[in-house]
Amino acid sequence: GEDVEQSLFLSVREGDSSVINCTYTDSSSTYLYWYKQEPGAGLQLLTYIFSNMDMKQDQRLTVLLNKKDKHLSLRIADTQTGDSAIYFCAESFQAGTALIFGKGTTLSVSS
Amino acid sequence: KAGVTQTPRYLIKTRGQQVTLSCSPISGHRSVSWYQQTPGQGLQFLFEYFSETQRNKGNFPGRFSGRQFSNSRSEMNVSTLELGDSALYLCASAPISGDTQYFGPGTRLTVL
Repeated sequence: GEDVEQSLFLSVREGDSSVINCTYTDSSSTYLYWYKQEPGAGLQLLTYIFSNMDMKQDQRLTVLLNKKDKHLSLRIADTQTGDSAIYFCAESFQAGTALIFGKGTTLSVSS
Repeated sequence: KAGVTQTPRYLIKTRGQQVTLSCSPISGHRSVSWYQQTPGQGLQFLFEYFSETQRNKGNFPGRFSGRQFSNSRSEMNVSTLELGDSALYLCASAPISGDTQYFGPGTRLTVL
């Protein structure tokens, strides 16, 4: 079956690293994404990784993929108050469509 | 490039009515997908259109339909509205050879 699980909340202090975790159940998924949603806004693509990769780094963001455990994580270095938002993990079998989303992790950053 | 635009941004309807939402993709993108976001069910895929044809479909009743025009603009229609249709409807576009989707700001539909 298709299911994406995320923890609901994460609270960190400004300057710390944040790690948001996600597990998925369908090993056929080819693409794995991280999106950010701020209040009242749509989804902003942060980064994505192909299922044949283990890691991807993009400025403050690092994505790690453990295919054996079907575990995906997003690390945000030097977290800022502007990073406070809901972060969604998503999987897809087909590029650019039919994303299956987790319920989202609310990241709260305190100064 | 301009991003994905959706109109209207807010809509209030009553039960039993129908509604049409519009989405204009990023210039050059030919794939348009629609998603429903609710507090209870989260983000759920409705359907995708590519070159005026429905290419993928999620698990929603037939009251939810869509279409795409030759300029890649897409509309989504919901007939016989129910209270549970209250949601944020998000549209996303993708380029032909792209791996990612880019989302619009959404249309907030409230059904009374």
